[in-house]
Amino acid sequence: DGGITQSPKYLFRKEGQNVTLSCEQNLNHDAMYWYRQDPGQGLRLIYYSQIVNDFQKGDIAEGYSVSREKKESFPLTVTSAQKNPTAFYLCASSMARANTEAFFGQGTRLTVV
Amino acid sequence: GENVEQHPSTLSVQEGDSAVIKCTYSDSASNYFPWYKQELGKGPQLIIDIRSNVGEKKDQRIAVTLNKTAKHFSLHITETQPEDSAVYFCAGNAGNMLTFGGGTRLMVKP
Repeated sequence: DGGITQSPKYLFRKEGQNVTLSCEQNLNHDAMYWYRQDPGQGLRLIYYSQIVNDFQKGDIAEGYSVSREKKESFPLTVTSAQKNPTAFYLCASSMARANTEAFFGQGTRLTVV
Repeated sequence: GENVEQHPSTLSVQEGDSAVIKCTYSDSASNYFPWYKQELGKGPQLIIDIRSNVGEKKDQRIAVTLNKTAKHFSLHITETQPEDSAVYFCAGNAGNMLTFGGGTRLMVKP
């Protein structure tokens, strides 16, 4: 059963704490992405990685960090430097070619309490 | 970089009517234009896509048209049903990644 899995589905964080969101795919995709979605808004790119051990900042990378040690995994850490972290976070993966479908996970809803 | 604009931001139609969502893009190098449907609390799912070597593509009640000269593409849903209610996103590719439009919330009234 191939796909892309995000965990957890819901996450609560106290102010000042770092938290890590998991994203795993078994589609053998080279490229992986993290997006942030705020209520009623579109998808904004946080970070992306097109190959293992390499990643690039997207439009809103400040306050976030990522790693890509394995092809299957692309965890996102929301640091205490992110001033407004409450949002819906979506992970996606695709083949490295530019004109191919991106597959999305089911998302993680992060709430700062 | 690529800029994708999507209109309208909300669309309400009566069941059985047609719905049209329009997008424009800025980067003439873009050659792949997918459309995603996002249901509440879930991740977006691809419903149809079109590549720049064709002008129109249809899949049952859903069709997409592309005008490369004008740099715009549209999603057409015919005979809408309540289960079509969702948020729809268009996207264009440039620089080897997708740039998304702002989304359209479609509401189909029974």
